[in-house]
Amino acid sequence: DIQMTQSPPSLSASVGDRVTITCRASQSISSYLNWYQQKPGKAPKLLIYAASSLQSGVPSRFGGSGSGTDFTLTISSLQPEDFATYYCQQSYNTLTFGGGTKVEIK
Amino acid sequence: QVQLQESGPGLVKPSETLSLTCSVSGGSISSYYWSWIRQPPGKGLEWIGYISYSGSTNYNPSLKSRVTISVDTSKNQFSLKLSSVTAADTAVYYCARVSYYGSGVYYYYYMDVWGKGTTVTVSS
Repeated sequence: DIQMTQSPPSLSASVGDRVTITCRASQSISSYLNWYQQKPGKAPKLLIYAASSLQSGVPSRFGGSGSGTDFTLTISSLQPEDFATYYCQQSYNTLTFGGGTKVEIK
Repeated sequence: QVQLQESGPGLVKPSETLSLTCSVSGGSISSYYWSWIRQPPGKGLEWIGYISYSGSTNYNPSLKSRVTISVDTSKNQFSLKLSSVTAADTAVYYCARVSYYGSGVYYYYYMDVWGKGTTVTVSS
């Protein structure tokens, strides 16, 4: 099974900050990596697919990069509505989610 | 636009079978894969499995022995059965549409439409 490890598990940031979340796969997954945002009590929302493709309707301040085993989700300027938990998910071999990164208000 | 709605019992007894249905509205169930995901209280997301509109399935290896996902194209629905449940199966259960693109053996899969989720508690 492919394990997905996210770091950090949580972070505190201020509105306007640049935020970077990392996801590492236990083996190479090429670019078969998606990112989701989840707010409390809500279903996850797709942000990025295929490592760097922005889902329709998602603000351009969200960006994804990486390939192989190391991936990054970047929020270029954090907005109040971005405080949430973010999950990576690989689709190279079945599907596996990372443990999540909670972005909190500083 | 496409909407998904989970339905089923909110309480299941230990050792029994959990059964949920996801109804798809605003679009056809054809040409996509359809997935179940769950989230225990206060924890992260766990993929359960997915099914194609034609009925081919792929399951999480850790749950494979207890999971059955089926599709009913005539009703635009797909369903989850999880047998021999324990308290560890208590979770919010989500259904989701799996979109894909690619060619040959290289396809990108991503869950782009989700239901709101339904809470299932396993307790006597």
